[in-house]
Amino acid sequence: QKEVEQDPGPLSVPEGAIVSLNCTYSNSAFQYFMWYRQYSRKGPELLMYTYSSGNKEDGRFTAQVDKSSKYISLFIRDSQPSDSATYLCAMTLEVLIFGTGTRLQVFP
Amino acid sequence: EAQVTQNPRYLITVTGKKLTVTCSQNMNHEYMSWYRQDPGLGLRQIYYSMNVEVTDKGDVPEGYKVSRKEKRNFPLILESPSPNQTSLYFCASSSSWGSYGYTFGSGTRLTVV
Repeated sequence: QKEVEQDPGPLSVPEGAIVSLNCTYSNSAFQYFMWYRQYSRKGPELLMYTYSSGNKEDGRFTAQVDKSSKYISLFIRDSQPSDSATYLCAMTLEVLIFGTGTRLQVFP
Repeated sequence: EAQVTQNPRYLITVTGKKLTVTCSQNMNHEYMSWYRQDPGLGLRQIYYSMNVEVTDKGDVPEGYKVSRKEKRNFPLILESPSPNQTSLYFCASSSSWGSYGYTFGSGTRLTVV
């Protein structure tokens, strides 16, 4: 079993839709929970991070962590074509461990 | 501008010909790391360095070497590349080990024929 599991998608949604991206993990000792966004032919860039259970909001993005269920989610409201990218969940204990990424396409 | 710079961006080489991928950061970060990204496998850590002259293996270190002689530079060396090392490589840096603020380079796409 991988330490971090992520649905690979791809997801294709119309502009304006609410998108939900999810990851599960097995190690309860993980400290930080992050979402990275990776555009084609670019390196991953940090989108959001959190370290406690609950929700954290930043504009159209909400990161949710449920430590009891070992589950994290990223919600994107009012999705835009510019949100089309691969989204990677990541977690740290001593090193950064990534999920495999979910490819999202938002069409006009 | 704070950044991690990798060179080259694209490289095609032949089996067995030694190569070096350079990585440099201008943020005075102590922690640097190399990842490879493959379809269906995601990002996997090759080597990392917690500070100058301190390096350690990640999940997939076989066939790679690194060195950290200066804080800003962390080159990745493939002494005898093989086709299974064809991949997309990323260098990343962070102010501390185990933190959340990793900055990634733009990647090096390596093809070994």
